[in-house]
Amino acid sequence: DTGVSQDPRHKITKRGQNVTFRCDPISEHNRLYWYRQTLGQGPEFLTYFQNEAQLEKSRLLSDRFSAERPKGSFSTLEIQRTEQGDSAMYLCASGETSGSGDTQYFGPGTRLTVL
Amino acid sequence: AQSVTQPDIHITVSEGASLELRCNYSYGATPYLFWYVQSPGQGLQLLLKYFSGDTLVQGIKGFEAEFKRSQSSFNLRKPSVHWSDAAEYFCAVGRAPSGGGNKLTFGTGTQLKVEL
Repeated sequence: DTGVSQDPRHKITKRGQNVTFRCDPISEHNRLYWYRQTLGQGPEFLTYFQNEAQLEKSRLLSDRFSAERPKGSFSTLEIQRTEQGDSAMYLCASGETSGSGDTQYFGPGTRLTVL
Repeated sequence: AQSVTQPDIHITVSEGASLELRCNYSYGATPYLFWYVQSPGQGLQLLLKYFSGDTLVQGIKGFEAEFKRSQSSFNLRKPSVHWSDAAEYFCAVGRAPSGGGNKLTFGTGTQLKVEL
């Protein structure tokens, strides 16, 4: 169990540019979640996948955001035409499902700064 | 809709003192409850979880939490705090995975400072 990894750890971009983040979940977990955390707040749910299917998206996920999980393994989160309001920590979590529930294990996050 | 309230934004305790962090939740059914800890610039580490059964749950690093349905609370406790416990603590409520995923709703967090 190597844990959840995210790449890059930090990203600085200019407003209007596109950015893409990658998340590699724990290998045997079939659920993968994306959250966004702004300064002084708790994480907010963005979207989740079960295997390769994206099953739920938050209203926070505007049309500029898209997430994929091809082949049910790693996932990418792309933000097009970034805005300063997109500056946040983007967290990925890997979901372990058992008979008693779904426990999420978080990666270290990608810190996005939009100038 | 599910929600979580952590009434204390900041708490300062002396090393060796006991700790209780408050968490109140709102959820229409049986909740799944979690406590996570976050060090600066890092992701979240799971401390403990409650799904069902015994209402007092034990976690890592000597933490425990008690689920009280009548008070809609899930407070985190530790009998003796260590300086390394200084961090931000998040309570979260999750949807029971009746065929679906477990979308977590987090509180705004409690920042713990430990005085030596």
